[in-house]
Amino acid sequence: DQQVKQNSPSLSVQEGRISILNCDYTNSMFDYFLWYKKYPAEGPTFLISISSIKDKNEDGRFTVFLNKSAKHLSLHIVPSQPGDSAVYFCAARASGNTPLVFGKGTRLSVIA
Amino acid sequence: EAGVAQSPRYKIIEKRQSVAFWCNPISGHATLYWYQQILGQGPKLLIQFQNNGVVDDSQLPKDRFSAERLKGVDSTLKIQPAKLEDSAVYLCASSLTNSNQPQHFGDGTRLSIL
Repeated sequence: DQQVKQNSPSLSVQEGRISILNCDYTNSMFDYFLWYKKYPAEGPTFLISISSIKDKNEDGRFTVFLNKSAKHLSLHIVPSQPGDSAVYFCAARASGNTPLVFGKGTRLSVIA
Repeated sequence: EAGVAQSPRYKIIEKRQSVAFWCNPISGHATLYWYQQILGQGPKLLIQFQNNGVVDDSQLPKDRFSAERLKGVDSTLKIQPAKLEDSAVYLCASSLTNSNQPQHFGDGTRLSIL
């Protein structure tokens, strides 16, 4: 039973345009959400997070939106750059000593 | 700040052999995690340490996998004996605490079982 779902395995976007990566979750106890970026042969790198008390968090070109009622979050990258080409993982956890649960990832390709 | 260090980067063994992975977390990070990432999947937590104590090992196949974090710093993960389905990337991560702090990952060990 997948508690964190990234339904798009891949996404292609033109350089300079907006990239929108989506993530759905099923566990209503999740209250902290993160996005990680992963390049080939490297470990995941933390990108941005959001707690359930917020509906938006912004860091430079990256913005994460959280819709608790829909159990949905999204990562917006504006403007997209070729260096953003990577696999993006959505992750979530409930409060307390609970494990981080990852989605399967979405491969983003930014085309110059 | 130095990142999470893992070794080896790659390991190829035959089934039924044993293998060990090593992890050195970021200095000062009390919480250490071992994840298994199978091709096409997200990382899955195997075990979580807080200092040198185990917090969560509910998804660790304890008949063949073991892990320790002596002195609350470095950690080793061992598989004995290995099965074909253990082929994966084994990632180590650390965080300052086990509350809402981002986890920082090493580059992983890619294990291939022949």
